[in-house]
Amino acid sequence: DIQMTQSPSSLSASVGDRVTITCRASQSISTYLNWYQQKPGKAPKFLIYGASRLQSGVPSRFSGSGSGTDFTLTISSLQPEDFATYYCQQSYSTPFTFGQGTRLEMK
Amino acid sequence: EVQLVESGGGLVQPGRSLRLSCTASGFTFGDYAMSWFRQAPGKGLEWVGFIRRKGYGGTTEYAASVKGRFTISRDDSKNIAYLQMNSLKAEDTAMYYCSRYYDLWSGSNWFDPWGQGTLVTVSS
Repeated sequence: DIQMTQSPSSLSASVGDRVTITCRASQSISTYLNWYQQKPGKAPKFLIYGASRLQSGVPSRFSGSGSGTDFTLTISSLQPEDFATYYCQQSYSTPFTFGQGTRLEMK
Repeated sequence: EVQLVESGGGLVQPGRSLRLSCTASGFTFGDYAMSWFRQAPGKGLEWVGFIRRKGYGGTTEYAASVKGRFTISRDDSKNIAYLQMNSLKAEDTAMYYCSRYYDLWSGSNWFDPWGQGTLVTVSS
Protein backbone atom coordinates (compact mmCIF):
# COMPACT_ATOMS: atom_id res chain seq x y z
CA ASP A 1 0.00 0.00 0.00
CA ILE A 2 1.12 3.56 -0.67
CA GLN A 3 1.57 5.54 2.53
CA MET A 4 0.75 9.25 2.50
CA THR A 5 2.32 11.54 5.07
CA GLN A 6 1.24 15.13 5.60
CA SER A 7 3.04 17.86 7.47
CA PRO A 8 2.42 19.64 9.62
CA SER A 9 -0.36 17.83 11.47
CA SER A 10 -1.68 21.18 12.63
CA LEU A 11 -1.01 24.76 11.74
CA SER A 12 -2.03 28.08 13.30
CA ALA A 13 -2.37 31.03 10.97
CA SER A 14 -4.18 34.33 10.57
CA VAL A 15 -6.50 35.70 7.94
CA GLY A 16 -4.42 36.94 5.06
CA ASP A 17 -1.51 34.59 5.69
CA ARG A 18 0.02 32.39 3.04
CA VAL A 19 0.13 28.77 4.17
CA THR A 20 1.62 25.64 2.68
CA ILE A 21 0.83 22.03 3.53
CA THR A 22 3.10 19.23 2.42
CA CYS A 23 2.18 15.68 1.42
CA ARG A 24 4.68 12.93 0.75
CA ALA A 25 3.99 9.55 -0.84
CA SER A 26 5.93 6.41 0.05
CA GLN A 27 6.52 5.75 -3.66
CA SER A 28 6.18 7.71 -6.86
CA ILE A 29 2.58 8.44 -7.79
CA SER A 30 3.27 10.76 -10.73
CA THR A 31 0.63 13.48 -10.35
CA TYR A 32 -2.16 11.19 -9.12
CA LEU A 33 -2.73 13.32 -6.05
CA ASN A 34 -5.94 14.93 -4.84
CA TRP A 35 -6.71 17.39 -2.05
CA TYR A 36 -9.86 17.63 0.04
CA GLN A 37 -11.11 20.09 2.66
CA GLN A 38 -13.21 19.03 5.60
CA LYS A 39 -14.93 21.26 8.11
CA PRO A 40 -16.12 19.94 11.50
CA GLY A 41 -19.26 17.85 11.21
CA LYS A 42 -19.27 18.06 7.42
CA ALA A 43 -18.38 15.78 4.56
CA PRO A 44 -15.09 16.27 2.72
CA LYS A 45 -15.08 18.70 -0.18
CA PHE A 46 -12.99 18.00 -3.25
CA LEU A 47 -10.53 20.78 -4.13
CA ILE A 48 -7.70 19.72 -6.44
CA TYR A 49 -6.95 16.79 -8.74
CA GLY A 50 -3.90 15.81 -10.71
CA ALA A 51 -1.75 17.53 -8.08
CA SER A 52 -2.40 21.01 -9.47
CA ARG A 53 -5.77 21.25 -11.22
CA LEU A 54 -8.48 23.13 -9.35
CA GLN A 55 -11.95 21.71 -9.28
CA SER A 56 -14.50 24.06 -10.79
CA GLY A 57 -15.66 26.63 -8.28
CA VAL A 58 -12.62 26.37 -6.00
CA PRO A 59 -11.16 29.83 -5.31
CA SER A 60 -7.94 30.65 -7.11
CA ARG A 61 -6.16 31.35 -3.80
CA PHE A 62 -5.82 27.56 -3.58
CA SER A 63 -3.04 25.97 -5.59
CA GLY A 64 -1.30 22.64 -5.70
CA SER A 65 2.02 21.49 -7.02
CA GLY A 66 4.37 18.54 -7.11
CA SER A 67 4.94 15.23 -8.79
CA GLY A 68 6.51 11.92 -7.93
CA THR A 69 6.53 11.73 -4.15
CA ASP A 70 6.37 15.34 -2.93
CA PHE A 71 3.38 17.62 -3.16
CA THR A 72 2.16 20.89 -1.68
CA LEU A 73 -1.13 22.66 -1.16
CA THR A 74 -0.84 26.42 -0.84
CA ILE A 75 -3.46 28.93 0.19
CA SER A 76 -2.17 32.31 -0.90
CA SER A 77 -4.25 34.52 1.39
CA LEU A 78 -6.24 32.77 4.08
CA GLN A 79 -9.91 33.60 4.36
CA PRO A 80 -12.08 32.87 7.42
CA GLU A 81 -13.86 30.04 5.58
CA ASP A 82 -10.55 28.26 4.90
CA PHE A 83 -10.00 27.15 8.49
CA ALA A 84 -10.58 23.40 8.22
CA THR A 85 -8.73 20.11 7.96
CA TYR A 86 -7.05 19.28 4.67
CA TYR A 87 -6.33 15.78 3.36
CA CYS A 88 -4.21 14.61 0.47
CA GLN A 89 -5.20 11.36 -1.27
CA GLN A 90 -3.32 9.28 -3.78
CA SER A 91 -5.35 8.06 -6.74
CA TYR A 92 -2.48 6.11 -8.33
CA SER A 93 -3.53 2.67 -7.15
CA THR A 94 -5.86 0.83 -4.83
CA PRO A 95 -6.17 0.81 -1.93
CA PHE A 96 -6.64 4.55 -2.23
CA THR A 97 -4.99 6.15 0.75
CA PHE A 98 -5.13 9.50 2.53
CA GLY A 99 -2.69 11.52 4.51
CA GLN A 100 -3.51 11.84 8.19
CA GLY A 101 -4.80 15.37 7.71
CA THR A 102 -3.59 18.88 8.50
CA ARG A 103 -5.75 20.92 10.83
CA LEU A 104 -5.58 24.60 9.95
CA GLU A 105 -6.55 26.70 12.94
CA MET A 106 -7.02 30.38 13.48
CA LYS A 107 -4.20 32.02 15.41
CA GLU B 1 -27.80 19.24 -8.56
CA VAL B 2 -25.63 16.19 -8.00
CA GLN B 3 -26.49 14.74 -4.61
CA LEU B 4 -25.73 11.65 -2.55
CA VAL B 5 -27.67 10.69 0.56
CA GLU B 6 -26.55 7.89 2.88
CA SER B 7 -28.91 6.04 5.18
CA GLY B 8 -29.09 2.92 7.31
CA GLY B 9 -26.64 3.74 10.06
CA GLY B 10 -27.30 3.13 13.72
CA LEU B 11 -26.28 1.23 16.82
CA VAL B 12 -25.47 -2.43 16.27
CA GLN B 13 -23.98 -5.14 18.47
CA PRO B 14 -20.59 -6.67 17.70
CA GLY B 15 -20.86 -9.60 15.32
CA ARG B 16 -24.11 -8.41 13.79
CA SER B 17 -24.80 -7.01 10.32
CA LEU B 18 -25.95 -3.71 8.88
CA ARG B 19 -26.66 -2.49 5.37
CA LEU B 20 -26.05 1.10 4.35
CA SER B 21 -27.60 2.75 1.31
CA CYS B 22 -26.36 5.62 -0.83
CA THR B 23 -29.11 7.18 -2.94
CA ALA B 24 -27.91 9.28 -5.86
CA SER B 25 -29.62 12.00 -7.85
CA GLY B 26 -28.72 14.63 -10.41
CA PHE B 27 -26.50 12.46 -12.62
CA THR B 28 -26.61 9.22 -14.65
CA PHE B 29 -25.79 6.84 -11.83
CA GLY B 30 -24.95 3.88 -14.04
CA ASP B 31 -22.16 5.79 -15.76
CA TYR B 32 -20.04 6.04 -12.61
CA ALA B 33 -18.20 3.90 -10.13
CA MET B 34 -19.25 4.48 -6.54
CA SER B 35 -17.12 4.34 -3.43
CA TRP B 36 -17.52 4.11 0.33
CA PHE B 37 -15.31 5.74 2.95
CA ARG B 38 -15.34 5.91 6.71
CA GLN B 39 -14.04 8.18 9.41
CA ALA B 40 -13.70 6.98 12.98
CA PRO B 41 -14.47 9.60 15.64
CA GLY B 42 -11.68 12.18 15.69
CA LYS B 43 -9.67 10.31 13.06
CA GLY B 44 -8.83 10.67 9.39
CA LEU B 45 -10.44 9.38 6.23
CA GLU B 46 -10.25 5.72 5.21
CA TRP B 47 -11.25 4.31 1.84
CA VAL B 48 -13.47 1.24 2.35
CA GLY B 49 -13.97 0.11 -1.22
CA PHE B 50 -15.67 0.77 -4.51
CA ILE B 51 -17.77 -0.76 -7.24
CA ARG B 52 -17.10 -0.11 -10.89
CA ARG B 53 -19.84 0.69 -13.35
CA LYS B 54 -21.46 -2.18 -15.24
CA GLY B 55 -19.55 -1.21 -18.38
CA TYR B 56 -16.36 -2.13 -16.52
CA GLY B 57 -17.82 -5.33 -15.17
CA GLY B 58 -19.31 -3.90 -11.99
CA THR B 59 -16.35 -5.37 -10.12
CA THR B 60 -15.42 -4.41 -6.59
CA GLU B 61 -12.28 -3.70 -4.59
CA TYR B 62 -11.93 -3.39 -0.85
CA ALA B 63 -9.55 -2.22 1.83
CA ALA B 64 -7.81 -5.04 3.63
CA SER B 65 -9.47 -4.02 6.90
CA VAL B 66 -12.94 -4.91 5.58
CA LYS B 67 -12.28 -7.49 2.87
CA GLY B 68 -14.33 -10.62 3.42
CA ARG B 69 -16.72 -8.86 5.81
CA PHE B 70 -18.07 -5.97 3.74
CA THR B 71 -19.72 -6.14 0.32
CA ILE B 72 -20.53 -3.27 -2.01
CA SER B 73 -23.30 -3.64 -4.56
CA ARG B 74 -25.39 -1.38 -6.73
CA ASP B 75 -28.87 -1.17 -8.21
CA ASP B 76 -28.67 1.11 -11.23
CA SER B 77 -32.45 0.97 -11.71
CA LYS B 78 -32.89 2.62 -8.30
CA ASN B 79 -29.75 4.80 -8.33
CA ILE B 80 -28.55 3.21 -5.10
CA ALA B 81 -25.22 1.85 -3.94
CA TYR B 82 -25.15 -0.44 -0.93
CA LEU B 83 -22.58 -1.35 1.71
CA GLN B 84 -23.38 -4.64 3.40
CA MET B 85 -21.40 -4.92 6.63
CA ASN B 86 -21.17 -8.30 8.34
CA SER B 87 -19.33 -9.49 11.45
CA LEU B 88 -19.10 -5.94 12.70
CA LYS B 89 -16.43 -5.02 15.22
CA ALA B 90 -16.06 -2.12 17.62
CA GLU B 91 -13.35 -0.72 15.36
CA ASP B 92 -15.87 -0.37 12.54
CA THR B 93 -17.51 2.45 14.50
CA ALA B 94 -17.34 5.47 12.21
CA MET B 95 -19.17 7.93 10.04
CA TYR B 96 -19.63 6.25 6.65
CA TYR B 97 -19.63 8.33 3.49
CA CYS B 98 -20.37 7.44 -0.09
CA SER B 99 -18.91 9.30 -3.04
CA ARG B 100 -18.94 9.23 -6.79
CA TYR B 101 -15.69 8.11 -8.42
CA TYR B 102 -14.84 10.35 -11.33
CA ASP B 103 -12.12 9.41 -13.78
CA LEU B 104 -10.77 11.20 -16.83
CA TRP B 105 -9.40 9.66 -20.00
CA SER B 106 -6.03 11.01 -18.89
CA GLY B 107 -6.07 8.74 -15.87
CA SER B 108 -6.73 11.40 -13.25
CA ASN B 109 -9.45 10.31 -10.89
CA TRP B 110 -11.08 11.63 -7.76
CA PHE B 111 -14.08 11.39 -5.47
CA ASP B 112 -16.79 14.01 -5.76
CA PRO B 113 -19.30 14.77 -4.43
CA TRP B 114 -19.64 13.17 -1.00
CA GLY B 115 -22.80 12.45 0.89
CA GLN B 116 -23.43 13.85 4.36
CA GLY B 117 -22.59 10.52 5.98
CA THR B 118 -24.37 8.04 8.20
CA LEU B 119 -23.07 7.07 11.63
CA VAL B 120 -22.47 3.45 12.53
CA THR B 121 -21.80 2.59 16.16
CA VAL B 122 -20.79 -0.95 17.04
CA SER B 123 -21.25 -1.58 20.72
CA SER B 124 -22.88 -4.02 23.10
